[in-house]
Amino acid sequence: RKEVEQDPGPFNVPEGATVAFNCTYSNSASQSFFWYRQDCRKEPKLLMSVYSSGNEDGRFTAQLNRASQYISLLIRDSKLSDSATYLCVVNHLLISNFGNEKLTFGTGTRLTIIP
Amino acid sequence: NAGVTQTPKFRVLKTGQSMTLLCAQDMNHEYMYWYRQDPGMGLRLIHYSVGEGTTAKGEVPDGYNVSRLKKQNFLLGLESAAPSQTSVYFCASSYEELNAYEQYFGPGTRLTVT
Repeated sequence: RKEVEQDPGPFNVPEGATVAFNCTYSNSASQSFFWYRQDCRKEPKLLMSVYSSGNEDGRFTAQLNRASQYISLLIRDSKLSDSATYLCVVNHLLISNFGNEKLTFGTGTRLTIIP
Repeated sequence: NAGVTQTPKFRVLKTGQSMTLLCAQDMNHEYMYWYRQDPGMGLRLIHYSVGEGTTAKGEVPDGYNVSRLKKQNFLLGLESAAPSQTSVYFCASSYEELNAYEQYFGPGTRLTVT
């Protein structure tokens, strides 16, 4: 089982619609959770962190369900500029010589907003 | 403030050739990372550094070496390039590992090995 799994999409959604992505993670010891956004042929950029209580930033809402080990991202009133790949990222502890913490990136979910 | 820069942006190598990718950051970050990104796979950590003069292996270190002689620079070397190293390479930096999620990425280097 992959450490972080996402539906690769693509999701083709009309402008103004609401779209939701889910991401599951395998390591129950995972500590922190994030959504990054990556535009085509560009570098990833942090979109938002995901807190246990859920958090909202404008049209974006992130939720965490530790019991089921999944994270979600909801985008309301989608804009053309939301077209991108959304990466689910999990920070968890490792017991190895790698170091204490590690970020694991999902493969991303591709979103296209259609005019 | 340029953030994180990478050179070169593109490169084509023949099997067996060597090259060095340069990453520079002007944010005074302690931690720096090299990742590779391949289709259908998430970003995978190659090597990282927790400060000037230090380096450590990530998930996929084989075939790569790194050096961090200056705090602002992190070099990734390919000693003998192989077609399996065709990828997009991203450098990233962060202030401290505990806040590792605040990673700032460079624009990437697209490497093709023929």
